Amino acid sequence: DAGVIQSPRHEVTEMGQEVTLRCKPISGHDYLFWYRQTMMRGLELLIYFNNNVPIDDSGMPEDRFSAKMPNASFSTLKIQPSEPRDSAVYFCASAGREEGADTQYFGPGTRLTVL
Amino acid sequence: GDSVTQMEGPVTLSEEAFLTINCTYTATGYPSLFWYVQYPGEGLQLLLKATKADDKGSNKGFEATYRKETTSFHLEKGSVQVSDSAVYFCALITGRRALTFGSGTRLQVQP
Repeated sequence: DAGVIQSPRHEVTEMGQEVTLRCKPISGHDYLFWYRQTMMRGLELLIYFNNNVPIDDSGMPEDRFSAKMPNASFSTLKIQPSEPRDSAVYFCASAGREEGADTQYFGPGTRLTVL
Repeated sequence: GDSVTQMEGPVTLSEEAFLTINCTYTATGYPSLFWYVQYPGEGLQLLLKATKADDKGSNKGFEATYRKETTSFHLEKGSVQVSDSAVYFCALITGRRALTFGSGTRLQVQP
């Protein structure tokens, strides 16, 4: 398996622009997680899905952030409008029920810079 | 709420030295515990895990034992290599299903 795939790997945009981050989980996994990593706050959960349904979005910073999972093999995290404080590395992770869903496999991350 | 506390880094060691990175946690219920490693420019990789008290997780020479009485999960390795230089994250998971991470400890191993 190719592992969790994220795109783009790097994104540089200007304040106010819309940003869309993409994730393809490992085939067969039914949990998908979005995390954000910053120097100030470390690694924190934004949202997670189970069987394509959002379960916990308490970490989503504000209405500018939205996430979707239209099918089992694709998820997006959208920021509109983007702000400089959104600059971070965004990780997607997936987990499978057969392992109790507690072992998460991470993608390489998307490094977002908002100017 | 759940939380994980790690020793602050960076930890600088010479090759073949003994490594300990301390990790303690606070959680409701009985969490599963993890160590993840992040190499420069890469995502997180699972290093080892333990799912119940007194379990020992091990991988690539690293070990950690789930100590419920001290709420700890310290990472150890008997002889570090330059290639072990990375950032190490202690984490836990409970019924919420999302990982709660410590702040990370940077390890630098010098030849």
